[in-house]
Amino acid sequence: EAGVAQSPRYKIIEKRQSVAFWCNPISGHATLYWYQQILGQGPKLLIQFQNNGVVDDSQLPKDRFSAERLKGVDSTLKIQPAKLEDSAVYLCASSPRVGGMATEAFFGQGTRLTVV
Amino acid sequence: GENVEQHPSTLSVQEGDSAVIKCTYSDSASNYFPWYKQELGKGPQLIIDIRSNVGEKKDQRIAVTLNKTAKHFSLHITETQPEDSAVYFCAASKGNQFYFGTGTSLTVIP
Repeated sequence: EAGVAQSPRYKIIEKRQSVAFWCNPISGHATLYWYQQILGQGPKLLIQFQNNGVVDDSQLPKDRFSAERLKGVDSTLKIQPAKLEDSAVYLCASSPRVGGMATEAFFGQGTRLTVV
Repeated sequence: GENVEQHPSTLSVQEGDSAVIKCTYSDSASNYFPWYKQELGKGPQLIIDIRSNVGEKKDQRIAVTLNKTAKHFSLHITETQPEDSAVYFCAASKGNQFYFGTGTSLTVIP
């Protein structure tokens, strides 16, 4: 079974520029997550999709971050404009369950963003 | 929302010794507790999990215990090996929402 695919692996941009990350979850997984992981910290949820609908985006800085999941499969996360404090690893994860009892979330390798 | 605390933040052990990492959670509705291992440059990978209807689970050298009353759960690694060196994260989940601890950097000294 193919895992969660993310691209790019690394990105360096200047502050105030925009950037986009792409995620392809495991086939058939209904739930997709975007996490932000700042160096030395645990993953922090930015947004959770169930199929192509948003379940939780309470911690997404909506003035600069946006995300979409087209047709309930691939997802993109965008930052515009970027700030220095956005430097982090952005992890995408997917899970096969829709509600009910939780099961394992499978993570991609992440995109390391450096804002200079 | 859920708040997950994890201790210690760093842990060094001699090869062959045991390592214990502890987590507490705040929301009594959380019912699924996975543990993830994250190696440098990689995404977190599940190593063991436990559900709220179970008190203990073991998989070879790794075990997890859960105390629902006290709202804490622990990861135990026995006979540690250098390849166990990584960052370990606990998480608490209800429904399909996950809340992660701040991580423990484990170093196994050969």
